Amino acid sequence: NAGVTQTPKFQVLKTGQSMTLQCAQDMNHNSMYWYRQDPGMGLRLIYYSASEGTTDKGEVPNGYNVSRLNKREFSLRLESAAPSQTSVYFCASKTNPGQGATNSGANVLTFGAGSRLTVL
Amino acid sequence: SQKIEQNSEALNIQEGKTATLTCNYTNYSPAYLQWYRQDPGRGPVFLLLIRENEKEKRKERLKVTFDTTLKQSLFHITASQPADSATYLCALPGGYNKLIFGAGTRLAVHP
Repeated sequence: NAGVTQTPKFQVLKTGQSMTLQCAQDMNHNSMYWYRQDPGMGLRLIYYSASEGTTDKGEVPNGYNVSRLNKREFSLRLESAAPSQTSVYFCASKTNPGQGATNSGANVLTFGAGSRLTVL
Repeated sequence: SQKIEQNSEALNIQEGKTATLTCNYTNYSPAYLQWYRQDPGRGPVFLLLIRENEKEKRKERLKVTFDTTLKQSLFHITASQPADSATYLCALPGGYNKLIFGAGTRLAVHP
């Protein structure tokens, strides 16, 4: 049981290049998320997917696209990278606590290890 | 707009003491509040959730309080150890199916 797996761990891009960050979870979770983390700003939600086949914008979606390929995978694409997209990107999925569990009904997230992206 | 504030300055304490971290929020009436731990180079890990009708919750050496009048949560680590050194993030529900995070407070426990 690997949890949430992100690839790549590190990537350096030139301005204008494109790339896709991959995320997969093996916990059979319905909801998945992409956040970016910048110093002093905390985690900001880019996009999320409540279920397979649906995606919605978060707080900072501009410059990004996402694909929920199936229940396991949720990818984040930068079509034309900009230096402002230099950040650490985290994928997460939402735990499904059982009925009566103390976290029932709450958005408790399991995160991947992160992907550090530098755009020159 | 909704805002979560955590002390941006690192908290330095001596091993064995109690560490207390603060999370304040505005323009918000959350049904629950969560705390996560983040180690360098890793993703956040869920620690505790406290609901609006709970004043306090404990888990081993961790204690969280939730004051909905003050719009504040306190996160305590008793008998702190160097292994507790990390950044601690406060999180609140930000609409259906979403979670909003504070910037986090870095805790350093010195032997």
